[in-house]
Amino acid sequence: EVQLVASGGGLVNPGGSLTLSCAASGFTFSEYTMNWVRQAPGKGLEWVSSISSRSSYIFYSDSVKGRFTISRDNAENSVTLQMNSLRAEDTAMYYCVREEDFSGCGDFWGPGVLVTVSS
Amino acid sequence: NFMLTQPHSVSGSPGKTVTISCTRSSGSFANYSVHWYQQRPGSAPTILIFFDDQRPSGVPDRFSGSIDSSSTSASLIISGLKTEDEAEYYCQSYNATTWVFGGGTHLTVL
Repeated sequence: EVQLVASGGGLVNPGGSLTLSCAASGFTFSEYTMNWVRQAPGKGLEWVSSISSRSSYIFYSDSVKGRFTISRDNAENSVTLQMNSLRAEDTAMYYCVREEDFSGCGDFWGPGVLVTVSS
Repeated sequence: NFMLTQPHSVSGSPGKTVTISCTRSSGSFANYSVHWYQQRPGSAPTILIFFDDQRPSGVPDRFSGSIDSSSTSASLIISGLKTEDEAEYYCQSYNATTWVFGGGTHLTVL
């Protein structure tokens, strides 16, 4: 059974940092691109970042470029999103999403983790 | 970057058919496919249609996808509406470096 379990969410002050992790199981992790997609409360979906299967290609949305860093550990079947200089507008549910390499399709989504940026 | 435009909401009666459109502002679905997701309240999105018109196993054939002849507009068609279909529906496409989602369409089954 495919599972994506995200952790590390919580409440953080504006300007602070947080690290999200996503533990994958039930599939060959090293063969898939991984993405983070977020959803602000009551809003739509917004793609955040992606990292290809061997970390050769890494992309970010303009809204997080320079503040967020995505990485992965294929030996540990995990992907991480380091979030710095957090803003109120980063408040959202963050989903870890699997993508078959270069398909552009999120074929499996984890349940998400909530990040709240507030003083 | 391009944008994807969906209607804010659609509605239909049980047993009827509804269509949700998704229009791409630039570029073409011929080069970069469209995918559709269903999101029920309080849950993560799930893939509903991929590569324009392909259904994952487990998705009923009441759900179908299509692309128009200009390849700039996509449609999600839901036939034989059920109350359980009431949810938010998102189209999504991509280019070489980014994913883009439509704003979402809320389906109400009256």
